[in-house]
Amino acid sequence: DTAVSQTPKYLVTQMGNDKSIKCEQNLGHDTMYWYKQDSKKFLKIMFSYNNKELIINETVPNRFSPKSPDKAHLNLHINSLELGDSAVYFCASSQGTLQFFGPGTRLTVL
Amino acid sequence: QKEVEQDPGPLSVPEGAIVSLNCTYSNSAFQYFMWYRQYSRKGPELLMYTYSSGNKEDGRFTAQVDKSSKYISLFIRDSQPSDSATYLCAMSGGSSASKIIFGSGTRLSIRP
Repeated sequence: DTAVSQTPKYLVTQMGNDKSIKCEQNLGHDTMYWYKQDSKKFLKIMFSYNNKELIINETVPNRFSPKSPDKAHLNLHINSLELGDSAVYFCASSQGTLQFFGPGTRLTVL
Repeated sequence: QKEVEQDPGPLSVPEGAIVSLNCTYSNSAFQYFMWYRQYSRKGPELLMYTYSSGNKEDGRFTAQVDKSSKYISLFIRDSQPSDSATYLCAMSGGSSASKIIFGSGTRLSIRP
């Protein structure tokens, strides 16, 4: 079974739309993360939740809103999508320092 | 200056060669040093990690940390085409204890 899973795997949408990406982990970890990876492969942290509480909130437009209904789930909602939001979004989880990543969601904004 | 610097490559070597991948960093508080491997269109996969200085070996892979020079390396012996991927170094510690800072990744290609 996949340890960290994300849905959908691919997302193609028009500028201005609102979309959500879901993440689930079955590792029993307390902390979950959202990262954005651009076309140059640079992996940048966006948010982190520990036991449903937001602990990292990097400089991200407030069109991006994470939600953690429980410690096994972390969703990312994006309002008013822009061309520059096109990237691969990775969810990760950790118990301590080491992080384990999901397969990614490739978002393309047209 | 970025906290973590990594040569993006691409690096292309023949099968069987020894590969050396490197990162430098500026934050002396970093204590955890990791290497992730990322295949095309997949998520990063934790390959190796070390705490503080020293070497760690796992099969064909060796990770080295030199805190005095703020320099880390990953060596791959007897490289295989299946090692072709992007390798990302990553670090955490000090005020960045709750998050990992990644290098930009080195794209490695092993030619059969």
